Amino acid sequence: GAVVSQHPSRVICKSGTSVKIECRSLDFQATTMFWYRQFPKKSLMLMATSNEGSKATYEQGVEKDKFLINHASLTLSTLTVTSAHPEDSSFYICSARMGELENTIYFGEGSWLTVV
Amino acid sequence: KNQVEQSPQSLIILEGKNCTLQCNYTVSPFSNLRWYKQDTGRGPVSLTIMTFSENTKSNGRYTATLDADTKQSSLHITASQLSDSASYICVVSRSNDYKLSFGAGTTVTVRA
Repeated sequence: GAVVSQHPSRVICKSGTSVKIECRSLDFQATTMFWYRQFPKKSLMLMATSNEGSKATYEQGVEKDKFLINHASLTLSTLTVTSAHPEDSSFYICSARMGELENTIYFGEGSWLTVV
Repeated sequence: KNQVEQSPQSLIILEGKNCTLQCNYTVSPFSNLRWYKQDTGRGPVSLTIMTFSENTKSNGRYTATLDADTKQSSLHITASQLSDSASYICVVSRSNDYKLSFGAGTTVTVRA
């Protein structure tokens, strides 16, 4: 089946620094990728929808200047957490949609971010 | 308001036993309903996906049902194994924009 890879799987950064998380579709082209945040024992919360070659669409309450999303190619989207704070510590998951009409979405393995 | 409600929130079962998880939704217009298994600290893995016309779908020991009239779905786990311990998430997709609505998940713990 289709594979979506996230990197890094775990990252620790200092407060005030920025950290980038990559999401790659390994064997298909993903015109749309999604970024989620998940707190312990909670469901996934959609942060933004990323379309290749255009600006991301952010959900209400998500700071676009805080969480920079770039979808530079059909197989890669990146999420950059800027000026990270301890409250940004969370599990971040991406998903990729295969094609426009085929409503099939594959999730990445997730990335644990810890801000110290 | 969460448009996908799952129950129970958590359950504990003995290895070898069966269990059933419930999902009620109000998402409209409906496209499809998916069940995912999410191990702690991992991304969700798809178990089943059902469209409006499908009533049941199986994937090994996992069997999902869908009643689109009552907007209810269930996931039945047969002969549970320790590796079934995970969170099971019900996800409903809208047909107009394919936006996904996530349930909060049911945490299943299988004990020997």
